[in-house]
Amino acid sequence: RKEVEQDPGPFNVPEGATVAFNCTYSNSASQSFFWYRQDCRKEPKLLMSVYSSGNEDGRFTAQLNRASQYISLLIRDSKLSDSATYLCVFSRGRFGAGTRLTVKP
Amino acid sequence: DTEVTQTPKHLVMGMTNKKSLKCEQHMGHRAMYWYKQKAKKPPELMFVYSYEKLSINESVPSRFSPECPNSSLLNLHLHALQPEDSALYLCASSLWTSGVSTDTQYFGPGTRLTVL
Repeated sequence: RKEVEQDPGPFNVPEGATVAFNCTYSNSASQSFFWYRQDCRKEPKLLMSVYSSGNEDGRFTAQLNRASQYISLLIRDSKLSDSATYLCVFSRGRFGAGTRLTVKP
Repeated sequence: DTEVTQTPKHLVMGMTNKKSLKCEQHMGHRAMYWYKQKAKKPPELMFVYSYEKLSINESVPSRFSPECPNSSLLNLHLHALQPEDSALYLCASSLWTSGVSTDTQYFGPGTRLTVL
């Protein structure tokens, strides 16, 4: 089993849609969980840290399920500017494959 | 200041050249990272330095040689590279504590390397 598994998509959604991504991890000792966003030919930028209790930042909600060893990212009311690749990241720099999201008008 | 800087932005080198990539941060972070990213792939961890000591080497070929002269600087020395080493090389930094929320990595803009 891969250390981190993430559906690469692509996800093509209309503006205003709600979209969700998951990442599963195999190392139960993982302690740090993050979602990053990467635009084409740019560096990854932190979107959200992921906490056990779940956390929300505007239209974005992140959840952690330790029992099933996955994290999720929910984007509500998608905007055109949300089009990017979303990367899950675990302790000390273990990246998922990235999920490509395209939001269309 | 949450900025990580990298130089050069672009680098073209031959297989016999020796060159270096540089990374700098002034956030007081004590961990610094090198990643390699190929097109349409996620970043792959190469090296991690914590408190100026190499703590992780992900079985990277010896033609890549990292150096951490002080807590703010990280170099990657390149020698005898192959065309398949062409990629975006990303530097990142983070705090290095046991707290969950303090491992956030801040990335530099990367050096786009082409090996001819």
